[in-house]
Amino acid sequence: EIVMTQSPATLSVSPGARATLSCRASQRISDNLAWYQQKPGQAPRLLIYGASTRAAGVPARFTGSGSGTEFTLTISSLQSEDFAVYYCQQYNNWPLLSSRMYTFGQGTKLEIK
Amino acid sequence: HVQLVQSGAEVKKPGASVKVSCKASGYTFTDYDINWVRQATGQGLEWMGWMNPKTGNTGYAQKFQGRVTMTRSTSTSTAYVELSSLRSEDTAVYYCARGRVSLVEDTYYYSMDVWGQGTTVTVSS
Repeated sequence: EIVMTQSPATLSVSPGARATLSCRASQRISDNLAWYQQKPGQAPRLLIYGASTRAAGVPARFTGSGSGTEFTLTISSLQSEDFAVYYCQQYNNWPLLSSRMYTFGQGTKLEIK
Repeated sequence: HVQLVQSGAEVKKPGASVKVSCKASGYTFTDYDINWVRQATGQGLEWMGWMNPKTGNTGYAQKFQGRVTMTRSTSTSTAYVELSSLRSEDTAVYYCARGRVSLVEDTYYYSMDVWGQGTTVTVSS
């Protein structure tokens, strides 16, 4: 099973500053990675897929990068609505029917400094 | 408007089963996978499995093998997840999420682009 490890667990950043969130896979997953944002009491929201492609309606201040085992989500110029929990998710072995596994990282909480 | 609407909260006793529904609207139900993801209070997201509504094919996370069943009704565009032999650790919010395939520069990518509102399942004696 591929394990996804996110760091840090909590990140304190001031509004207007840049935030950098990391996600590491226990084995190579090419660019089969997505990022999600979740606010309290809400369902997750897709931000990034294919490691670097923004989903529809996602502001340009969200940038995903990386390939293989190391991935980064960068949020430039943090807005108040960006403070939330962020999850990475791998979907390696897609679309092989029998071995699809979509593991999430444990999340990074982005809080206001 | 594309949306997934889930059934209401459930309270179950240990050892019982629970079945949660997810009704799709605004798109062709059989064109996209449905995934199920759960989240215990204060915890992270845990993927449970996927289902292809067109074929009925499923794939389950190893942790849930033997206890989870994912089904669908194409006539009502509704997906279901049933979890049996419930224990207190199954207390969580259960989400359905649409699996979308996107083509980017000759490569296909997968993502979960539309989510249901969540269904709270409480397991308590």
